[in-house]
Amino acid sequence: QKEVEQNSGPLSVPEGAIASLNCTYSDRVSQSFFWYRQYSGKSPELIMSIYSNGDKEDGRFTAQLNKASQYVSLLIRDSQPSDSATYLCAVRGLTGGGNKLTFGTGTQLKVEL
Amino acid sequence: GAGVSQSPSNKVTEKGKDVELRCDPISGHTALYWYRQRLGQGLEFLIYFQGNSAPDKSGLPSDRFSAERTGESVSTLTIQRTQQEDSAVYLCASSLAPRTGAEGYTFGSGTRLTVV
Repeated sequence: QKEVEQNSGPLSVPEGAIASLNCTYSDRVSQSFFWYRQYSGKSPELIMSIYSNGDKEDGRFTAQLNKASQYVSLLIRDSQPSDSATYLCAVRGLTGGGNKLTFGTGTQLKVEL
Repeated sequence: GAGVSQSPSNKVTEKGKDVELRCDPISGHTALYWYRQRLGQGLEFLIYFQGNSAPDKSGLPSDRFSAERTGESVSTLTIQRTQQEDSAVYLCASSLAPRTGAEGYTFGSGTRLTVV
């Protein structure tokens, strides 16, 4: 079982719709969770972090965490073509001094006009 | 500096040659990380520095790979006797010292290594 699992996609949504990206993780003691956006040929950029159960909102983005189900998601409201990218879920565990992020392989999002 | 700086941005090398990749982290970021991303793949952890010590180097794929860091600044990743499977984008990231666990990374723009 992979440590961090994401559906590779592509996930296609029409412009203006809500995009829902999902991630599951295997290490039950994982502490904090991150979503990164990676445009083709570019490096990942941090969108949001979350470490408490529930929802965290930042503009059009909402991160949701359910530690009991070992599940984290990212909702993008009013999706725009500029949101088309690969979204990487990352999890911080306790190994190696507790600072290493383990990344999923990413979900490709396509927002269509 | 304002961001994480990596050099060179592109490197083409012949199989069997040694290469050195450089990373200059954000000023004040004591934690530094190296990842590798092969074409169409996810990010593969290589090594983590806290200051100039490496508490986690579990991701280095073989003894051909080594890394060092001077104080809390520049790090170099060295690959000896390069092989074609080493071709990838090598990403460096830095962060504040881990205290709360909520510290995210800032990535550099990467070094694209091609071994021919």
